[in-house]
Amino acid sequence: AQKVTQAQTEISVVEKEDVTLDCVYETRDTTYYLFWYKQPPSGELVFLIRRNSFDEQNEISGRYSWNFQKSTSSFNFTITASQVVDSAVYFCALSEPHFGNEKLTFGTGTRLTIIP
Amino acid sequence: NAGVTQTPKFQVLKTGQSMTLQCAQDMNHEYMSWYRQDPGMGLRLIHYSVGAGITDQGEVPNGYNVSRSTTEDFPLRLLSAAPSQTSVYFCASSPVFSANTGELFFGEGSRLTVL
Repeated sequence: AQKVTQAQTEISVVEKEDVTLDCVYETRDTTYYLFWYKQPPSGELVFLIRRNSFDEQNEISGRYSWNFQKSTSSFNFTITASQVVDSAVYFCALSEPHFGNEKLTFGTGTRLTIIP
Repeated sequence: NAGVTQTPKFQVLKTGQSMTLQCAQDMNHEYMSWYRQDPGMGLRLIHYSVGAGITDQGEVPNGYNVSRSTTEDFPLRLLSAAPSQTSVYFCASSPVFSANTGELFFGEGSRLTVL
């Protein structure tokens, strides 16, 4: 069975600090996909990134970066020079693309608060 | 660009009442799904559909019915509401080829309270 653990329930940092959100996953498959979604205070869910299990390259997008390590089953998300607009709940998710298994398993989310 | 539209955004029901949460998308996506979001539980899949006339159960289907008569619409029905169904409900869609690879497009959510 697949599982996603986001051990950090809430994090608060002062603006301009760097912050890392942890995500640990469990899966028996060798092929899988990992995601991060952002849920700002307005409530909608916004797709941030997808990573497949065969691509362990870290990715950087502006102030956002993702560190995928299969050896530790982790897919951590770092925001550098945080801004107030980064305040949101962030969800990590896992998908095993079996035929007939149309499912994303979400973690419980990390609420990030950026203090001005 | 409407995307995924959910109605209503807020609803209060009494135990035992029935209602339908509406979901419509204008992106011609084959895959549509319903999730519920509860504190400390993340998002859990209720039902999904890979095309008109095809639906299947997700992780927490009990107490909910769905149908998919058109590509655009995927309503979620609560036949006899219970307080345990108090939650925020999200409808999501994607092209079917990416249904397992993410990039779901979410609606804005519907907050349901059952008294």
